[in-house]
Amino acid sequence: NAGVTQTPKFQVLKTGQSMTLQCAQDMNHNSMYWYRQDPGMGLRLIYYSASEGTTDKGEVPNGYNVSRLNKREFSLRLESAAPSQTSVYFCASSEDRRIPGGRPSLSGNTIYFGEGSWLTVV
Amino acid sequence: AQKVTQAQTEISVVEKEDVTLDCVYETRDTTYYLFWYKQPPSGELVFLIRRNSFDEQNEISGRYSWNFQKSTSSFNFTITASQVVDSAVYFCALTLRGSSASKIIFGSGTRLSIRP
Repeated sequence: NAGVTQTPKFQVLKTGQSMTLQCAQDMNHNSMYWYRQDPGMGLRLIYYSASEGTTDKGEVPNGYNVSRLNKREFSLRLESAAPSQTSVYFCASSEDRRIPGGRPSLSGNTIYFGEGSWLTVV
Repeated sequence: AQKVTQAQTEISVVEKEDVTLDCVYETRDTTYYLFWYKQPPSGELVFLIRRNSFDEQNEISGRYSWNFQKSTSSFNFTITASQVVDSAVYFCALTLRGSSASKIIFGSGTRLSIRP
């Protein structure tokens, strides 16, 4: 069982270049997330998607765009990379069950992470 | 506002010593979930444990144990008879219910080094 898979694992970009980080989960989870990890700052939420077709900003969304392609896939795009975006990026997912009518079940769910993508912008 | 504080930035102990990683959290919610994740040198984030705010029973899993005290808003993690393989960064985290997605708030992490 692969869980959360993200690609590429390593990437070097020049300032101004664009790229997309891909993420897929095979756990039939409703919610997906993109975090970045920087030294001394823990993980910070960039964007999240509570369900297919919806996306919302997290703590640090500037300079990024996301796309929830389907229930399995959630991509993160850097349109014009900047050195400040050098970081480790983690994709994650959680079940967040829905109750009849489509509303979220108000219970917390464990968040599972991919293996990380090391991005360097020079 | 919600916040998770891991005051210990780095800890270094000799193998076989016991070590406790501290975690203090802040939230106004009455229902929340606390987690510990391990990030070994290879970089992945490994889920260790989840604790429901309604359940203050302590938990033991092998050499790992967790002490949840709602009165002091703490969720501390103890490794007994530490091993070199325990060397990693450990993150305490908090999620809240009441939103459509279980967004997680992390502490800044504690880097644990176990010396042979």
